[in-house]
Amino acid sequence: DAGVTQSPTHLIKTRGQQVTLRCSPKSGHDTVSWYQQALGQGPQFIFQYYEEEERQRGNFPDRFSGHQFPNYSSELNVNALLLGDSALYLCASSLGTKTGELFFGEGSRLTVL
Amino acid sequence: DQQVKQNSPSLSVQEGRISILNCDYTNSMFDYFLWYKKYPAEGPTFLISISSIKDKNEDGRFTVFLNKSAKHLSLHIVPSQPGDSAVYFCAAFKYSGGGADGLTFGKGTHLIIQP
Repeated sequence: DAGVTQSPTHLIKTRGQQVTLRCSPKSGHDTVSWYQQALGQGPQFIFQYYEEEERQRGNFPDRFSGHQFPNYSSELNVNALLLGDSALYLCASSLGTKTGELFFGEGSRLTVL
Repeated sequence: DQQVKQNSPSLSVQEGRISILNCDYTNSMFDYFLWYKKYPAEGPTFLISISSIKDKNEDGRFTVFLNKSAKHLSLHIVPSQPGDSAVYFCAAFKYSGGGADGLTFGKGTHLIIQP
């Protein structure tokens, strides 16, 4: 039973560029959340997708957008990259939206130069 | 404004002894509190949770205590084992709009179990 898978695992971009990160949820899960973890910090909630819609959003600018597909997989897009966007981006899945018990992937490490 | 705080960046405990990890929060609206464990190069994994209406929850070697009046929770690991060496995150959420809000995490405590 595959857990949460994310791609790519590492990537390097320059300021102003755009990036797309991908996530496949754990089998049977229908809800996907994205978190940003800066160095030395805890994960910070970006947004959550359920039934292909953004159900909830954290305190992140509109440069951060996402999508959920009918097979429950998800993408995180970040436009106009800033140096401060360098972080580990974690995808988490769950069954439904009423639980805080999330299953996390290993993350995508983004470096912005 | 950090709503969930873990004031100890690291903690060293001898194998076989009790490990106590602490967490404070400021938002009295939180409905649930959780602990996650993270090994290097892996995503966080769920460990244990507690509802705001309880004061204790136990699962094997792990027990979480909640003191609502002090806005404080703690995770006890007894006995501590080498495999417990990891970063532990305290997290919390409240229910709104029929579902759980995104988790609010602390900065983590790096637990080191000494042989």
